[in-house]
Amino acid sequence: GAVVSQHPSWVICKSGTSVKIECRSLDFQATTMFWYRQFPKQSLMLMATSNEGSKATYEQGVEKDKFLINHASLTLSTLTVTSAHPEDSSFYICSARVPYGTVGYTFGSGTRLTVV
Amino acid sequence: AQSVTQLGSHVSVSEGALVLLRCNYSSSVPPYLFWYVQYPNQGLQLLLKYTTGATLVKGINGFEAEFKKSETSFHLTKPSAHMSDAAEYFCAVSFTGGGNKLTFGTGTQLKVEL
Repeated sequence: GAVVSQHPSWVICKSGTSVKIECRSLDFQATTMFWYRQFPKQSLMLMATSNEGSKATYEQGVEKDKFLINHASLTLSTLTVTSAHPEDSSFYICSARVPYGTVGYTFGSGTRLTVV
Repeated sequence: AQSVTQLGSHVSVSEGALVLLRCNYSSSVPPYLFWYVQYPNQGLQLLLKYTTGATLVKGINGFEAEFKKSETSFHLTKPSAHMSDAAEYFCAVSFTGGGNKLTFGTGTQLKVEL
């Protein structure tokens, strides 16, 4: 149980274009989702917390106009990288708090974004 | 300030040897503690977690960890390493009052040699 599906697994886009990454909770309702960014051989850095039906909360230093997060339903959160540049190339991972049992979090399989 | 520290960015062990990956946290209130494993270009898989109760926690794939409040530690161990254990391991912490956010350690790359 508590599966989060993330798509696409990898994407290549041209500089200046926008890319949308989707994260779906398959068997539970995710009122809160988290978006992380991971550079090669580094740890996960929290970018923002999205709550269903409200605006996302961004971590310090994260450009909210560049990384648009939408959490329009209890099973879907999206991250859109707008006007992508090569420095936005990274591994993006979503996560959701599991709403039952003891405290727990489940993670998507990640999206490898390459901007050329 | 609340933080989590993983000592040793790279650990190398022989197949069949003990695996010990270290994690310490800094917080006045014991947090929830997690260990995750990540294989290349994949998401994170939960190995085990401590929330309340028994301080020795057993996880998947033969891993276990012990929460030691006096040492503010949650080290991960496995008695006998297998080649398939080679991966990146992250200790993560959910601090009280942290808005349910997970704070990750810097990670430890485990290498298993024949």
